Order: sequence, then C-alpha cells, then structure tokens
Amino acid sequence: KNEVEQSPQNLTAQEGEFITINCSYSVGISALHWLQQHPGGGIVSLFMLSSGKKKHGRLIATINIQEKHSSLHITASHPRDSAVYICAVRSGAQKLVFGQGTRLTINP
Amino acid sequence: DVKVTQSSRYLVKRTGEKVFLECVQDMDHENMFWYRQDPGLGLRLIYFSYDVKMKEKGDIPEGYSVSREKKERFSLILESASTNQTSMYLCASRGSGGDSYNEQFFGPGTRLTVL
Repeated sequence: KNEVEQSPQNLTAQEGEFITINCSYSVGISALHWLQQHPGGGIVSLFMLSSGKKKHGRLIATINIQEKHSSLHITASHPRDSAVYICAVRSGAQKLVFGQGTRLTINP
Repeated sequence: DVKVTQSSRYLVKRTGEKVFLECVQDMDHENMFWYRQDPGLGLRLIYFSYDVKMKEKGDIPEGYSVSREKKERFSLILESASTNQTSMYLCASRGSGGDSYNEQFFGPGTRLTVL
C-alpha cells in the first residue's frame, strides 16, 4: 500500500462543475503539498499546508491531521484547469512522498 | 522569472551511452533533488543533495550517480543507459533553515528516451 493515496485517479467533468480531489496518507507529516502538472511536464506548487484550510482564487485546500486526509477543491472549473494534480507529504526533514496523481479533464 | 532549469527538454540516447542531465537553480538553495516520473508510479526520488559535494541515495538509485560540485548545479549521470531508464526526469530544489514548510521548486523536466 502506498504511503500517499489519491482518488480518483482520473476525473472528467464539464466546465463550471465543482471538483474535489482527495488525498489520504498513512505517515506522520510536517506538511502536505498540492502540486499541478500541465502537459509538457512542469510542476508548480499550489498549496503547502499543515493544518486547516487555504484558498487561492478558485482553489481551496483543506487538511484534517487527525484523519490523515486532505482535499483539493476547484470551484467553477474551467478547461484550463485540466492537468494532473499531485499530493505530496513531508514526513522527514528532506524528502517528499508523492501520490500517483489525479488526471483532471474539464470539457467546455 | 526562471528558478530551476534543466539542460534539455527532450533527449534521445542509445543503450550503453553515458548520459548527463544537468540542473541549475538560481535561488541559492542548499537542497536539490532528482526524480523520475513514470505512468502509474508517480514521482520517485533517485538522489538528493543537501550541500555541495554531499549526496544521499533516494528510493531508486540503482543505475544512476550524481555530482554536485557547485551549489547551484546538480547533475544526474546514467553511466550506461538502458531502455528501462526511459522516463521523465525532474529536478527540484528547496531551501533550508530549519523550516520544514519550505516550498520545493521544480524544473520543467527532461523526457529521456533510450533506444
């Protein structure tokens, strides 16, 4: 079993829909990251959180430390949100442990 | 404002060739990382370095070596490329200072094909 599990692995939705991607982890962590990877490979950091909730534009990330679970929400989804979303946790000082990613496709 | 650069976006090599992948960061970060990314497996850590001339093995170091002669540059070396090393390779860097929340910055990736 992977230390970081994401669901769903693939998600297709219509423009405007509310999107939720989930991440569960099995290790103690100091921080959790949500990353976005567009076709072509480059990865950008969306959020870094250790408790509670963060919001940036149409994106919201929440984390429940007791349940070892985090969610990434996208409101009013748009085709440009189509990407792979990756959850990663930092359990030690140096290394990140990554989930397998969720491929999101938003159709116009 | 480019932060982490990789020497090539696409690379095609032949089995047995020695391959160098270069990564440069301009943020004066102590920590640098090399990952490979494969479908269904996510990102896996090959090697990382927390200082000049220092290196540590990640989860899948076999078949790879690294070099960090200068703080800004971290090189990944495939001594004798094999077809199972065909993959997307991503470099990343991160600062230190005792803050475990430091953001990790990724390069654009190098898609390596070994024929």
